[in-house]
Amino acid sequence: AQSVTQLDSHVSVSEGTPVLLRCNYSSSYSPSLFWYVQHPNKGLQLLLKYTSAATLVKGINGFEAEFKKSETSFHLTKPSAHMSDAAEYFCVVSNTGGFKTIFGAGTRLFVKA
Amino acid sequence: EPEVTQTPSHQVTQMGQEVILRCVPISNHLYFYWYRQILGQKVEFLVSFYNNEISEKSEIFDDQFSVERPDGSNFTLKIRSTKLEDSAMYFCASSEPTGARNYGYTFGSGTRLTVV
Repeated sequence: AQSVTQLDSHVSVSEGTPVLLRCNYSSSYSPSLFWYVQHPNKGLQLLLKYTSAATLVKGINGFEAEFKKSETSFHLTKPSAHMSDAAEYFCVVSNTGGFKTIFGAGTRLFVKA
Repeated sequence: EPEVTQTPSHQVTQMGQEVILRCVPISNHLYFYWYRQILGQKVEFLVSFYNNEISEKSEIFDDQFSVERPDGSNFTLKIRSTKLEDSAMYFCASSEPTGARNYGYTFGSGTRLTVV
């Protein structure tokens, strides 16, 4: 069985400070893991993905995530937040076939000026 | 950059009516999906579709739902007799020929369905 837990429903940071959005997963298989971002009234955009290659994955807009098997975590980070980063972020785990994915509940990121 | 296109962006329908949500996936993608997000809740998997048949579906995807690829470019979700609780944002997605596991999904911008 698969599950994904986003540990924070809301995160608030000041512009220019680091961002950390936390995600833990469980999976019976070697998982693929993704982060998606959803801006208000927009669709879901793929930020980055882990598919069993490098454990540190770089994505768009300066985001990166590190796959830690021992901790079953896939936390999303960015060194310096920008106002345009304010959005909802979803951690997603996919099973072997990729037919079905499980979304986390989402973390809303607020960025203060 | 290739996009998944969904129409309409917003649909209002009366309870008990049939609705069809339309999607045009990316042209070389072979896997297609529907997800929904009830306001304030998680994004939930509904169904995946490959090679002209359903490959997996969730418990939500009951007999009132159906999917079709009628003409090789469109991918539709039909809700036969809508209920108030079907009100949600419905997302279509497609993925590369080798599957979403390696490449992730490309999502459309969604159709907001409001059942009154």
